[in-house]
Amino acid sequence: EAGVAQSPRYKIIEKRQSVAFWCNPISGHATLYWYQQILGQGPKLLIQFQNNGVVDDSQLPKDRFSAERLKGVDSTLKIQPAKLEDSAVYLCASGLTGSSYEQYFGPGTRLTVT
Amino acid sequence: AQSVTQLDSHVSVSEGTPVLLRCNYSSSYSPSLFWYVQHPNKGLQLLLKYTSAATLVKGINGFEAEFKKSETSFHLTKPSAHMSDAAEYFCVVTNTGNQFYFGTGTSLTVIP
Repeated sequence: EAGVAQSPRYKIIEKRQSVAFWCNPISGHATLYWYQQILGQGPKLLIQFQNNGVVDDSQLPKDRFSAERLKGVDSTLKIQPAKLEDSAVYLCASGLTGSSYEQYFGPGTRLTVT
Repeated sequence: AQSVTQLDSHVSVSEGTPVLLRCNYSSSYSPSLFWYVQHPNKGLQLLLKYTSAATLVKGINGFEAEFKKSETSFHLTKPSAHMSDAAEYFCVVTNTGNQFYFGTGTSLTVIP
């Protein structure tokens, strides 16, 4: 079974530029998560989708971050404009619906903002 | 409010000796708890989970954890460390499946 795919794996941009990350979850997984992991910290949940609807985005900085999952499969996370403090690894995870709450993580995208 | 506290940022053990990684949680409701492992340059992998069934949970690679409600703890253990266990370990809590809170991580070093 193919795992969660993310691209790009690495991205370097200057502050105030925009960037987008892509995630393809495991086939059949209705739930999709985006996390931000700053160096030395645990991942922080930014947004959770159930199919193409948003379940929780309480920790998403909506003035600069946006995410969509239009057809309930792939998802994109965008940052516009980027700040230095956005430098982090952005993780995508997917999971089945139900009470087990297991998540399967992709390899992440490492973003460096200069 | 929910949170987890991983009590040790770094743990170092000799190969073949027991491993103990400590996690305390805070949750207003009955929590679900997880341990994930992150090897360098690899994605997070689920080690084990507690979801209100048996309090002693067995996971992959010989790891297990015990849910202790009275102590609000969910410590991760392994009887004998292997070199391949060297990694970052995260304790995670949720109670509704809508918000997940990760600890700050424990870096495990295994000395040959």
